[in-house]
Amino acid sequence: KAGVTQTPRYLIKTRGQQVTLSCSPISGHRSVSWYQQTPGQGLQFLFEYFSETQRNKGNFPGRFSGRQFSNSRSEMNVSTLELGDSALYLCASSQQGVSNQPQHFGDGTRLSIL
Amino acid sequence: TQLLEQSPQFLSIQEGENLTVYCNSSSVFSSLQWYRQEPGEGPVLLVTVVTGGEVKKLKRLTFQFGDARKDSSLHITAAQPGDTGLYLCWGSSNTGKLIFGQGTTLQVKP
Repeated sequence: KAGVTQTPRYLIKTRGQQVTLSCSPISGHRSVSWYQQTPGQGLQFLFEYFSETQRNKGNFPGRFSGRQFSNSRSEMNVSTLELGDSALYLCASSQQGVSNQPQHFGDGTRLSIL
Repeated sequence: TQLLEQSPQFLSIQEGENLTVYCNSSSVFSSLQWYRQEPGEGPVLLVTVVTGGEVKKLKRLTFQFGDARKDSSLHITAAQPGDTGLYLCWGSSNTGKLIFGQGTTLQVKP
């Protein structure tokens, strides 16, 4: 069974640009959640999508957005990039959701902002 | 603001030693999960605990959920270099809110 796939693995952008990250969940999983991981802040929850609808949202500004397609694949978009957005962005999938469910993570996209 | 305080943040030990990592909160959790993350990879689930006082064992790893479901510990016996990684605890509150510990970076030297 294929795991969670995130593309691209590495990305370099400059301030003010925008970026789109992609996540393909495990087949049959309807929940996809996104996280930002930095050495200073640790792991922080961005949002969760379930059946194409955003179900949970963390405390991130509106520059961070996402969507989910009918095949459960998800994209995350960050607009007007700032230096502080440099991080490892992880996505995870599960059958039912982030609460009380094992999350299967991808290996992340390492985003560097210059 | 709900917090999940994880300690210690860093731990460097010799192979064969024992260690314990703690996650503490003032909040009650409906469940708590432990993950291990190796460099360049995403976190991998180790265990989920849901019942107060629950103890789960995974080979040399022992996980305990506090009676009041506010804290948890991970004990590793006879640590090996393969145990090296970032250990994360992750709690789900009764309202479905997710709360993460800051992580414990463990280095086990041969």
